[in-house]
Amino acid sequence: GAVVSQHPSRVICKSGTSVKIECRSLDFQATTMFWYRQFPKQSLMLMATSNEGSKATYEQGVEKDKFLINHASLTLSTLTVTSAHPEDSSFYICSANRALYMVHGYTFGSGTRLTVV
Amino acid sequence: KQEVTQIPAALSVPEGENLVLNCSFTDSAIYNLQWFRQDPGKGLTSLLLIQSSQREQTSGRLNASLDKSSGRSTLYIAASQPGDSATYLCAVISGSARQLTFGSGTQLTVLP
Repeated sequence: GAVVSQHPSRVICKSGTSVKIECRSLDFQATTMFWYRQFPKQSLMLMATSNEGSKATYEQGVEKDKFLINHASLTLSTLTVTSAHPEDSSFYICSANRALYMVHGYTFGSGTRLTVV
Repeated sequence: KQEVTQIPAALSVPEGENLVLNCSFTDSAIYNLQWFRQDPGKGLTSLLLIQSSQREQTSGRLNASLDKSSGRSTLYIAASQPGDSATYLCAVISGSARQLTFGSGTQLTVLP
């Protein structure tokens, strides 16, 4: 149980285009999902907290107009990187919060490797 | 602000050795602590979750301990195998938003 599916696993896009990444909770409802970014050889940095039916909460320094988050249902959150540039190339990973997370912990997707050329 | 530190940053051991990975956190007011494994280019796999009221958890060859008052946790791996090679991440859940704060990880290499 507690499976989080993330797509695509890899994407290459041209500079200036937009890319959408999906995060789905497959066997539970997730009122909250988290989006992280990871640079090579570094740990995960929280970008934003996605709440179903309301606006996302962004961490300091994260441009909300560049990284659009939509959490329209209890099983799907999307992250759209708008007008992508090479510096946006990174590993993006989502996590979902299930009701019993305090007992079972957080579950992560498999990540998306974004390369902007 | 919660900060999590992991020592060592990298570790290389021969197969069969027992080893200990260390994690420390600055704010002891945590809800729980979770150890993850990350293979190169992959997502995170949860290994063990220790609730704040617990002192340790075991799963197979893995044992994680928690000393909340001193802000420390250790992950003990018994009889290490080459398949254990990965980056091990420690994360604490704290704050009103129940957020995960990650350490920088320990990159483990087990040599055959």
